[in-house]
Amino acid sequence: QSVLTQPPSASGTPGQRVTISCSGSSSNIGSNTVNWYQQLPGTAPKLLIYSNTQRPSGVPDRFSGSKSGTSASLAISGLQSEDEADYSCAAWDDSLNGWVFGGGTKLTVL
Amino acid sequence: QVQLVESGGGVVQPGRSLRLSCAASGFTFSSNGMHWVRQAPGKGLDWVAVIWHDGSNKYHADSVRGRFTISRDNSKDTVYLQMNSLRIEDTAVYYCAGGYCSGSSCEMVYWGQGTLVTVSS
Repeated sequence: QSVLTQPPSASGTPGQRVTISCSGSSSNIGSNTVNWYQQLPGTAPKLLIYSNTQRPSGVPDRFSGSKSGTSASLAISGLQSEDEADYSCAAWDDSLNGWVFGGGTKLTVL
Repeated sequence: QVQLVESGGGVVQPGRSLRLSCAASGFTFSSNGMHWVRQAPGKGLDWVAVIWHDGSNKYHADSVRGRFTISRDNSKDTVYLQMNSLRIEDTAVYYCAGGYCSGSSCEMVYWGQGTLVTVSS
């Protein structure tokens, strides 16, 4: 049981826009910033979004993040086949004194 | 470019110990916090521990506190995870990750490729 809650799966067709939600509480998302990680099959996680909305250098602007209260979302526009991956949200938890992750959302491009 | 290379994984019996290492290059190791994150087969990411850039702060997940210890040697650009009293449920790929520290936490920006730890009798 993950501290942050994500849907286990999401899907879309090429060119579509999809969103993935991440729900937490006041001790994590409610008081700290959210990161999103992309994990392609068989590879290590890669930072996709940090500080709720910021993209590291090299991440396409098709990826965007948002946060409101104790929830956050990742949006992917102009969906491409290479976006098929697992996406996980993460935040520092002040009560646990540690990072917490969502269970991950497997994105399928139909 | 940034590289994090984990080593030390393998097959170990329940109750035994193992030490993982993560060698860093391509960035200023001594200015970055370092984490260990694990992923059990077919499961999501599970944060294990963090150590501040200067070793001044360390935090461990409840599931490993008292059994695992994170440490670092800035002269060797290496972070370690000493794992004692291993359990079957500790079986996972262990990743090291690093990033800048700010306020109450350190980021996980750079990631290694992981090392597999299998706990089995």
